[in-house]
Amino acid sequence: DVKVTQSSRYLVKRTGEKVFLECVQDMDHENMFWYRQDPGLGLRLIYFSYDVKMKEKGDIPEGYSVSREKKERFSLILESASTNQTSMYLCASSQLGVGNQPQHFGDGTRLSIL
Amino acid sequence: ILNVEQSPQSLHVQEGDSTNFTCSFPSSNFYALHWYRWETAKSPEALFVMTLNGDEKKKGRISATLNTKEGYSYLYIKGSQPEDSATYLCAFSTYSGAGSYQLTFGKGTKLSVIP
Repeated sequence: DVKVTQSSRYLVKRTGEKVFLECVQDMDHENMFWYRQDPGLGLRLIYFSYDVKMKEKGDIPEGYSVSREKKERFSLILESASTNQTSMYLCASSQLGVGNQPQHFGDGTRLSIL
Repeated sequence: ILNVEQSPQSLHVQEGDSTNFTCSFPSSNFYALHWYRWETAKSPEALFVMTLNGDEKKKGRISATLNTKEGYSYLYIKGSQPEDSATYLCAFSTYSGAGSYQLTFGKGTKLSVIP
C-alpha cells in the first residue's frame, strides 16, 4: 500500500514564524501535491510538483513556497506565517498519467497560527 | 478556476436506506473524474477514477456513473451502513502542462448514517 506521511498531525506556531510542513511518500510517485482544507471551501490546491526540483503554482499559492529536492519528499513552507493560514494541510502523491491516477493522501496537519 | 459542484451539501439517512448524490463539472476538456471518501480523522481514500462517458464502476455497495457530455456523475450507496458515514468528494482532472494533471475538488457531500 502507498504510504504518504506528514511530519506532524498538529502544529501551533506564532505569527511571523517560518513554518515547514514535510511530506514523504514511499511509492516512487512522480507527482506530489499540497492542499489546504477550510470549512465550506473544500480542498484547494496550493502547489504541486511533477518531478524533482520542479514546482507549479496551484489555485492559492500566495504566502507559500515549496521545495522538492528528492523525489520522495515535498515540503511546504510558510515564509512568514499569518493567522489566515490557520488550516488543515493535506499532502498527496500520484503516478504520472493522463489524469486517471488516483491521489494518495497523508493524514493531514492541523496548523494553528497564533 | 473551474467549478465542480456537489449536491446535497449534507445528508442524513437511516441505516439500510439507499442514497445517491451528484457531482457536476465542466463538460469540455475532460480527462477524468475522481471520487474520494474522507472519514473523520482519516485521510481521503480514492473510491473511483472514471474516464469514459457512460462508465459505471462498483465497489461493494458503492457505485458510480459518469456522463461526460452533460458533465455529471452520480455516486450511489445501497443499503447504507453507519461505517459509510463520511464526506464524499468528487474531483475533476485538468491538464497542467509538462505531462502533469491536477485535480479541482468539489466541496463534498457529508453523509451521516443513523443506526
